[in-house]
Amino acid sequence: KAGVTQTPRYLIKTRGQQVTLSCSPISGHRSVSWYQQTPGQGLQFLFEYFSETQRNKGNFPGRFSGRQFSNSRSEMNVSTLELGDSALYLCASSLETTTSTDTQYFGPGTRLTVL
Amino acid sequence: GQNIDQPTEMTATEGAIVQINCTYQTSGFNGLFWYQQHAGEAPTFLSYNVLDGLEEKGRFSSFLSRSKGYSYLLLKELQMKDSASYLCAVILFSGGYNKLIFGAGTRLAVHP
Repeated sequence: KAGVTQTPRYLIKTRGQQVTLSCSPISGHRSVSWYQQTPGQGLQFLFEYFSETQRNKGNFPGRFSGRQFSNSRSEMNVSTLELGDSALYLCASSLETTTSTDTQYFGPGTRLTVL
Repeated sequence: GQNIDQPTEMTATEGAIVQINCTYQTSGFNGLFWYQQHAGEAPTFLSYNVLDGLEEKGRFSSFLSRSKGYSYLLLKELQMKDSASYLCAVILFSGGYNKLIFGAGTRLAVHP
């Protein structure tokens, strides 16, 4: 079974631009979560989608948004990029995360650099 | 608020045993994961604890005490390939659903 895939793997943008990152979950997984990882802050939760609905979100500004499609693929968008948005963006998929505690499986991440 | 603490860095010798601690102060606790992350790679699942006690899986074991808000990951017979960051992640039940909150990670260096 193929793992979680993320595209693109690397991205360089300039301040003020916007960016869209894509995540394809493991086949059969319906939950997709997004995280931002920086050396200083570690892994921070952005949001989680299940069946095209955002169920949970972290403490990030409204410039960070996402969506999920009917095939469970997910995208996240960051508008008006700032230097501090430079980070590794990871997505993780799991079967179901309502009241269960299914393991989340991570993709390789997208390394975003904002100049 | 939610707080998860791990040591920032640890060093150990090949063949030895190392214990990585994680303490947490959270509400809505619903379990705890340990992940391993090699530099430049995605985190990979190591263990899951929801009840108090020890879970053993080969060279790796994980312990949880819910009353103390404490967990540890025990690595035995250390190998050079165990040099990585180890992430403690708490499952919080929030807004009707689970979400995963990570500690900052512990960077382990294994020396010959």
